Amino acid sequence: QLQLQESGPGLVKPSETLSLTCTVSGGSISSGGYFWGWFRQPPGKGLEWIGTIYYSGSTYYNPSLKSRVTISEDTSKNQFSLKLSSVTAADTAMYYCARSLKEAFEAFDIWGQGTMVTVSS
Amino acid sequence: QSALTQPASVSGSPGQSITISCTGAISDVGGYNYVSWYQQHPGKAPKLMIYDVSNRPSGVSNRFSGSKSDNTASLTISGLQAEDEADYYCSSYTSSTTLVFGGGTKLTVL
Repeated sequence: QLQLQESGPGLVKPSETLSLTCTVSGGSISSGGYFWGWFRQPPGKGLEWIGTIYYSGSTYYNPSLKSRVTISEDTSKNQFSLKLSSVTAADTAMYYCARSLKEAFEAFDIWGQGTMVTVSS
Repeated sequence: QSALTQPASVSGSPGQSITISCTGAISDVGGYNYVSWYQQHPGKAPKLMIYDVSNRPSGVSNRFSGSKSDNTASLTISGLQAEDEADYYCSSYTSSTTLVFGGGTKLTVL
């Protein structure tokens, strides 16, 4: 069945760019009708939507992060990626990637296990 | 965009029913039938429990149900079980083509 796995550095310095990749197995990110999303959760706090990429390549971002976020896809590697620039300690969080139900922008039914990213010098 | 409003905590005894509310605005919850609910156990990824206000994904117990009235969506869990103890989050599509989450509700099974 479809599985998602986040990967990337667990420690990022302040002001640098956080880069994470979500590798999809058991299915193709090019499959029509699905949204692929990034989410995060600071320690002890709630979930936050970062942004979403549609299979067609269209992207949608959280307005509060939009100036710093880029989500892209690499269909040849069956991956999609997150870049968050100019990070601060407030960006320390567990980061999750997920896939939506078909044509359901808001409903993500398959999630990666998450990867913890700490912003610290 | 403003976060949706959920109670910080709710509790109930095994076998009882509980309801968690999620209040937004006409620009999100009230304007679209695109509200989802997630269950999250400590140290685990969220699990989709309800989507499009009241639909259950395959494999989710029918003890979980969702509804909406005006700008407030609700998640009801009937026949409460110990394994239902978790954090619950609502999310909604918004008029800006974005997603917004609630702050989360901690469910304690007494």
